[in-house]
Amino acid sequence: ETGVTQTPRHLVMGMTNKKSLKCEQHLGHNAMYWYKQSAKKPLELMFVYSLEERVENNSVPSRFSPECPNSSHLFLHLHTLQPEDSALYLCASSQDFLSNQPQHFGDGTRLSIL
Amino acid sequence: AQSVTQLDSQVPVFEEAPVELRCNYSSSVSVYLFWYVQYPNQGLQLLLKYLSGSTLVKGINGFEAEFNKSQTSFHLRKPSVHISDTAEYFCAVRTSNTGNQFYFGTGTSLTVIP
Repeated sequence: ETGVTQTPRHLVMGMTNKKSLKCEQHLGHNAMYWYKQSAKKPLELMFVYSLEERVENNSVPSRFSPECPNSSHLFLHLHTLQPEDSALYLCASSQDFLSNQPQHFGDGTRLSIL
Repeated sequence: AQSVTQLDSQVPVFEEAPVELRCNYSSSVSVYLFWYVQYPNQGLQLLLKYLSGSTLVKGINGFEAEFNKSQTSFHLRKPSVHISDTAEYFCAVRTSNTGNQFYFGTGTSLTVIP
């Protein structure tokens, strides 16, 4: 039990599809994150939410749209993706955005774009 | 700008031998340092962290790391590895002025040979 649950674990979609990734944390944390993990590259921070407000958006294409309806749930809506978007998408949470405590990660969603 | 360098992309080591995985960072402000491990098909799991105090920190699974401010390093060590330590290891840095934004290295793939 990692405390951070991501669904689905695997997703295959065409470039014209619309799908959503879901993340749920059971740790009572106030900050949540989306990362993209591609082979041989550092983890790329995509979005940060603190108390349901977006605080970071690191030049992510608009085909990725995050949503944080409450402090326990985070979504990543996908639309018209490209083959280079195939990667492992990791969700993480931390106690607070300004604390020095570590981030806790889910097991990720492996996304493949056909 | 902050950066994290993991000099070794792959480290093969025989079972029960010692191992050191290297991590260097660049930052002009105070840092908090972390090592994460990623097993196949899983997310990142915290191994250990340096926030303040003693520069030698001990983590789970027998790992330890030493913070060396003058050399801007945070190398991970284990005196005797097991087959189950085969995984990807990531060094991460958080600075005192960027909220809970982590900067990750590209990872080191540790393979323990029987």
